[in-house]
Amino acid sequence: DAGVIQSPRHEVTEMGQEVTLRCKPISGHDYLFWYRQTMMRGLELLIYFNNNVPIDDSGMPEDRFSAKMPNASFSTLKIQPSEPRDSAVYFCATTTGGTFGSGTRLTVV
Amino acid sequence: GQQLNQSPQSMFIQEGEDVSMNCTSSSIFNTWLWYKQDPGEGPVLLIALYKAGELTSNGRLTAQFGITRKDSFLNISASIPSDVGIYFCAGLSTSGTYKYIFGTGTRLKVLA
Repeated sequence: DAGVIQSPRHEVTEMGQEVTLRCKPISGHDYLFWYRQTMMRGLELLIYFNNNVPIDDSGMPEDRFSAKMPNASFSTLKIQPSEPRDSAVYFCATTTGGTFGSGTRLTVV
Repeated sequence: GQQLNQSPQSMFIQEGEDVSMNCTSSSIFNTWLWYKQDPGEGPVLLIALYKAGELTSNGRLTAQFGITRKDSFLNISASIPSDVGIYFCAGLSTSGTYKYIFGTGTRLKVLA
């Protein structure tokens, strides 16, 4: 079992650019969560899916953020346009609280 | 966003010592989870608690779901160097959702 796979591990981009973060969940896990971690705000839930359907997106900070899960084996979190305050580590997790990926460290300059 | 209060924020201990940390909330929770995060990695689930008063162990780790349902405790016995990391609690207050709220974290350093 390869666990939850996130890509890229690191992303540096310029303000205003579009950023896409990717997640491959563990096969058979019905739930997928996107979290953001910063020093100031800690770990925050952005959105979660159940059986590929978004259930709660109340944590998505702005319309610049969007997430999709086109099938059970893939999800994306997109930021368009990106801003320096979006710099954080973004985690994908599956099951109901259980398994996190290694995260994507995003730096927007 | 909302965060749970964890204490202590950080602690330095000697190898072999026991460690205690706790997590408190102003509202009632139905589920408590405890995680450990190593640098550059995602949190790893250590223990899950589902009932007030529940006491659950995982090796040298023991966690308790407070009877008021507003707090939880994690104890580590006989600490070893690999226990170093940040420990997070997470709680779930609303049935029917999985909108976990995370604690502020306790950074543990173990001196050999």
